[in-house]
Amino acid sequence: IAGITQAPTSQILAAGRRMTLRCTQDMRHNAMYWYRQDLGLGLRLIHYSNTAGTTGKGEVPDGYSVSRANTDDFPLTLASAVPSQTSVYFCASSAQGAPNTGELFFGEGSRLTVL
Amino acid sequence: TQLLEQSPQFLSIQEGENLTVYCNSSSVFSSLQWYRQEPGEGPVLLVTVVTGGEVKKLKRLTFQFGDARKDSSLHITAAQPGDTGLYLCAGAGHFGNEKLTFGTGTRLTIIP
Repeated sequence: IAGITQAPTSQILAAGRRMTLRCTQDMRHNAMYWYRQDLGLGLRLIHYSNTAGTTGKGEVPDGYSVSRANTDDFPLTLASAVPSQTSVYFCASSAQGAPNTGELFFGEGSRLTVL
Repeated sequence: TQLLEQSPQFLSIQEGENLTVYCNSSSVFSSLQWYRQEPGEGPVLLVTVVTGGEVKKLKRLTFQFGDARKDSSLHITAAQPGDTGLYLCAGAGHFGNEKLTFGTGTRLTIIP
């Protein structure tokens, strides 16, 4: 089934450890995004990429890094996890990036708990 | 400060009732999207509105974009248990930052 694949589905992580959340899309979309979802705060943009080879900072980028080596993959790395990074992380893609973003297609999320 | 405020935050009603949820901002958006998210899944787009005053209908769901393009509403007629979920609005085009900004969400529960 075409779409966004995220891994892992869930993970418990000790504070200070490094963690990479994987995201792959097979729709050949130009733009990809990482959001975190926290109760009462909705979805907040962490990092985005409008096209392969470029990335940008979103609303809450601190403590996170991304890379976009090719069209399909957009991994999110936590260099040294902290408990405040406990959240559900969603990867998304759209055919085009800003300013004509259009529909976002989301993965099923990765639930991360940092202890 | 949240750019897009949704109300109510939680809503629980009986099957067959009507309801309206709101998405409000002090900012103007070039377009606004509504998504529905079910437990354990990512949000799925329901509709995009782009013109001030625009009304779009999707079966029992009616979406309206405010004349000034600062607010939107979602009205559900004769709610059904399948309407249960988290409803999110998302605006594009705020102050030249064209990336989507998501609202705080309305968690809707329809009781059979």
